[in-house]
Amino acid sequence: EAQVTQNPRYLITVTGKKLTVTCSQNMNHEYMSWYRQDPGLGLRQIYYSMNVEVTDKGDVPEGYKVSRKEKRNFPLILESPSPNQTSLYFCASSLSRGRETQYFGPGTRLLVL
Amino acid sequence: AQSVTQPDIHITVSEGASLELRCNYSYGATPYLFWYVQSPGQGLQLLLKYFSGDTLVQGIKGFEAEFKRSQSSFNLRKPSVHWSDAAEYFCAVVVNAGNNRKLIWGLGTSLAVNP
Repeated sequence: EAQVTQNPRYLITVTGKKLTVTCSQNMNHEYMSWYRQDPGLGLRQIYYSMNVEVTDKGDVPEGYKVSRKEKRNFPLILESPSPNQTSLYFCASSLSRGRETQYFGPGTRLLVL
Repeated sequence: AQSVTQPDIHITVSEGASLELRCNYSYGATPYLFWYVQSPGQGLQLLLKYFSGDTLVQGIKGFEAEFKRSQSSFNLRKPSVHWSDAAEYFCAVVVNAGNNRKLIWGLGTSLAVNP
């Protein structure tokens, strides 16, 4: 089944404790991105990647890192999480950048205390 | 500035009634438009999309949307709502942003369905 998977689905952590949210897709998509969803602010892009080893900042990259060592995986790293990073995070992938349909993972709900 | 506006934050309809969710966009070039649905605890699923051609597009789950360039709108419709349609609905437009093409999202419309 074609899908985007994320882990963990729920995470509670404390300020400053490094964490990684994994994202994997099995559709051989080139383009992957991370979004955060916050009430009243909607979905905002954090980082995107157009292919292996090619990543760039989205609209709200501060406090986040990403890597794209393999085509299927695009982990989101919070080196020193802060409470303002409490949010719902979505990974998405598409065949390429642009008008192709983006397929979304189920989301990761993060609480930083 | 590029933006997407969904004027209705929350809508409640009765099961079997018709539905129209509004979406207005601001973008200078030819828009590529999407409607996604987010069910509780789920990711976002594509309902339908418009790139070009026929301005009335059909999607999954019995939804359709009409692109009206003169009104900068892309409203989503369904003739008869089912209880399972209760969800959050998002309109989005693809914009060019430097080396990136990205989605600009509306803030969503929450749909409740009364039995």
